[in-house]
Amino acid sequence: ETGVTQTPRHLVMGMTNKKSLKCEQHLGHNAMYWYKQSAKKPLELMFVYNFKEQTENNSVPSRFSPECPNSSHLFLHLHTLQPEDSALYLCASSQGYGQGNTEAFFGQGTRLTVV
Amino acid sequence: AQSVTQLGSHVSVSEGALVLLRCNYSSSVPPYLFWYVQYPNQGLQLLLKYTTGATLVKGINGFEAEFKKSETSFHLTKPSAHMSDAAEYFCAVSDLPNQAGTALIFGKGTTLSVSS
Repeated sequence: ETGVTQTPRHLVMGMTNKKSLKCEQHLGHNAMYWYKQSAKKPLELMFVYNFKEQTENNSVPSRFSPECPNSSHLFLHLHTLQPEDSALYLCASSQGYGQGNTEAFFGQGTRLTVV
Repeated sequence: AQSVTQLGSHVSVSEGALVLLRCNYSSSVPPYLFWYVQYPNQGLQLLLKYTTGATLVKGINGFEAEFKKSETSFHLTKPSAHMSDAAEYFCAVSDLPNQAGTALIFGKGTTLSVSS
């Protein structure tokens, strides 16, 4: 496999459920990101991990809990979500060092519906 | 803080017509600039990028963009639209290019419609 892979592609969950989104990159990158894409809103950066360390949390509610066990894997643990959390969740990775290496490579996203 | 403004949330063109999608940025340092395309229910795919050097950059699918520092712009163009170009397009900026983990900041996106 190559690129950035996200699973599952679609997820429907109740407000009391606990679920996790998974992201895996096979590009040898050092940085990984979670973005939220809601209808009619710009892409919202949620979390940044750099060499497995969280370097950015954009005031995301605690019902979203990220985990980065190694540079290739990123998880987003979800619990007690609200209907307004329904969105496309995109994972991305980047190298980040040196010129021309900062473009982000995106997975296909997980379409989350909270009912 | 850096930011991106995409003028026009929706652009409609006829097949074969010129495509022009506008992007203006705000950055405190020389930026790296990007255009991404997103097809329905897909992730974002890089179309092209500007880092340093030549200000006119060419990307995939016949798209190109020109970095104009004086106008703080990075507009995306394609001479002749094709039906398959219909998608959402995002402009993005990174102003800390030499740091790992520097997230891109995206504009709100422009939906391109192409009619036959």
